[in-house]
Amino acid sequence: GAVVSQHPSWVICKSGTSVKIECRSLDFQATTMFWYRQFPKQSLMLMATSNEGSKATYEQGVEKDKFLINHASLTLSTLTVTSAHPEDSSFYICSAFGPGGTEAFFGQGTRLTVV
Amino acid sequence: DQQVKQNSPSLSVQEGRISILNCDYTNSMFDYFLWYKKYPAEGPTFLISISSIKDKNEDGRFTVFLNKSAKHLSLHIVPSQPGDSAVYFCAASLNRDDKIIFGKGTRLHILP
Repeated sequence: GAVVSQHPSWVICKSGTSVKIECRSLDFQATTMFWYRQFPKQSLMLMATSNEGSKATYEQGVEKDKFLINHASLTLSTLTVTSAHPEDSSFYICSAFGPGGTEAFFGQGTRLTVV
Repeated sequence: DQQVKQNSPSLSVQEGRISILNCDYTNSMFDYFLWYKKYPAEGPTFLISISSIKDKNEDGRFTVFLNKSAKHLSLHIVPSQPGDSAVYFCAASLNRDDKIIFGKGTRLHILP
């Protein structure tokens, strides 16, 4: 099946710094990608919908200036956590619909720890 | 407001028996339902889906049942195997290429 790759798999950063997470569709083009966040023992929470060539659509309660999303090409979306704080520590996952748009494929996730 | 609800945080089932995972939803506009399996520190893996025009979809050991009037769906795994131990997420979307809304997940333990 289609492959979605995230990088890095895990990252530790200091409080106040920014972290960029990449999400790539390896063998297909994705005009739309989705970013999710998961806290321990909780659900995958949709943060935003990333649209190629246009602004991302954020879910209610998600800070646009905190979580910057850029979808500059048909195979790459990036999520930048700006001025990270310990409460931003979480598991971030991206997804994209594969060719045909009938099945969502997920990246392997990025574990962010802010110290 | 939780639009997709999985009320059982965990479930233990004997190997070889049937595992039944339940899910309820509140948005009657949902048109497409999915089940994902997830291991720790990994992204979810798609298992099976069902369109709202159907009430059952089967794929090998996995069967999903949809009861639209009750806004309820369930995933049946039979026979259950040790490798089925994971967290299972129920999910829904307004249509097949729309954003996916997840439930909180149910941790399934398959007992030897």
